[in-house]
Amino acid sequence: QQQVKQSPQSLIVQKGGISIINCAYENTAFDYFPWYQQFPGKGPALLIAIRPDVSEKKEGRFTISFNKSAKQFSLHIMDSQPGDSATYFCAASKAGTASKLTFGTGTRLQVTL
Amino acid sequence: ETGVTQSPTHLIKTRGQQVTLRCSSQSGHNTVSWYQQALGQGPQFIFQYYREEENGRGNFPPRFSGLQFPNYSSELNVNALELDDSALYLCASSFGPLNEQFFGPGTRLTVL
Repeated sequence: QQQVKQSPQSLIVQKGGISIINCAYENTAFDYFPWYQQFPGKGPALLIAIRPDVSEKKEGRFTISFNKSAKQFSLHIMDSQPGDSATYFCAASKAGTASKLTFGTGTRLQVTL
Repeated sequence: ETGVTQSPTHLIKTRGQQVTLRCSSQSGHNTVSWYQQALGQGPQFIFQYYREEENGRGNFPPRFSGLQFPNYSSELNVNALELDDSALYLCASSFGPLNEQFFGPGTRLTVL
């Protein structure tokens, strides 16, 4: 049972454009929603995270939008750069913990010149 | 401050064998979680250790077992290896189960 669904599977964006990745979850007990960035041969690195008491969180070029009623959240990467080319994973966890994560299937982002 | 380290980097085993993977948590972290990441998939939670006790387990069979030592480093043991166990095994550490975790680079296990 896939509890966190992520789309699209892959994404090609021009340099300077906006990259948008979407996730939907089923379990209403989830209350922590991070996004991770993974480069080939490396472990995932935390980018930004949100809890359901806010609808949006911005850190630099990265923004999470959260819609609790729709059980959806998304990552927006503004002014996308070639160095942003990586695989992005959304995740969720419950019961006040930021660990024991349930991950989405990943989005491979390619930013072209 | 050193980050999460894992050993070995790569490992090749044959079906039916046993394997032990190791993880050293980030300095000051007392909680270690293990994840399995199959090729092209997101990581899947195996189990977590907090202060040397198992603190939650994902949907993995008992042949996946672990240990946490007094210095908070950890081992993942897999018995009776199957072809489907081929994956990247990730270790993540945190200061307590409630706080954000930081991942190591992983161990790539290939089962032939």
